Amino acid sequence: DAGVIQSPRHEVTEMGQEVTLRCKPISGHDYLFWYRQTMMRGLELLIYFNNNVPIDDSGMPEDRFSAKMPNASFSTLKIQPSEPRDSAVYFCASSLGLGEQFFGPGTRLTVL
Amino acid sequence: QKEVEQNSGPLSVPEGAIASLNCTYSDRGSQSFFWYRQYSGKSPELIMSIYSNGDKEDGRFTAQLNKASQYVSLLIRDSQPSDSATYLCAVNIDPGNAGNMLTFGGGTRLMVKP
Repeated sequence: DAGVIQSPRHEVTEMGQEVTLRCKPISGHDYLFWYRQTMMRGLELLIYFNNNVPIDDSGMPEDRFSAKMPNASFSTLKIQPSEPRDSAVYFCASSLGLGEQFFGPGTRLTVL
Repeated sequence: QKEVEQNSGPLSVPEGAIASLNCTYSDRGSQSFFWYRQYSGKSPELIMSIYSNGDKEDGRFTAQLNKASQYVSLLIRDSQPSDSATYLCAVNIDPGNAGNMLTFGGGTRLMVKP
């Protein structure tokens, strides 16, 4: 299996622009997670899905963030409008049931 | 109080020594425990999982779990410079209600010096 795939790997944008991050989980996995990692706050869970349904989005920082999972093989995390404080590495991870979570390579987002 | 706590380090050990990494968690109902390794600029990579009290060994790595003390540790024997990384402890605090949601500690940075 190719593992969890994320795109883009790097994104540089200007404040106020819309940013869309993409994730393809490991085939057959039923859980998908979006995390954000910064030096100050560490690794934070933003939202997770089970069988394409959002289960817990309490980690989403504010209404500027939204996530969708239209099918079992694709998810997006959107930030609109983006702000400099959104600069971080965003990871997508997937798992099968209560098993181990496998992480994608991450998207490094810089908002100028 | 954070739900999963780790000493941020850095923990410095000489090559060949045993590195001991510790993690405490707050919820007694926690059932699944994981150790991830993260190299600088890379994504977290699972190295150990443990579900019951006691020790679990895998090569040079040993995970230890003590649910009564709410404590999980990772021992790395014969430490190598390539083990230098940040080690993240992760806990599934409430699998009955929260599915596979993990709470991560802040990580311990390990430095193995040649």
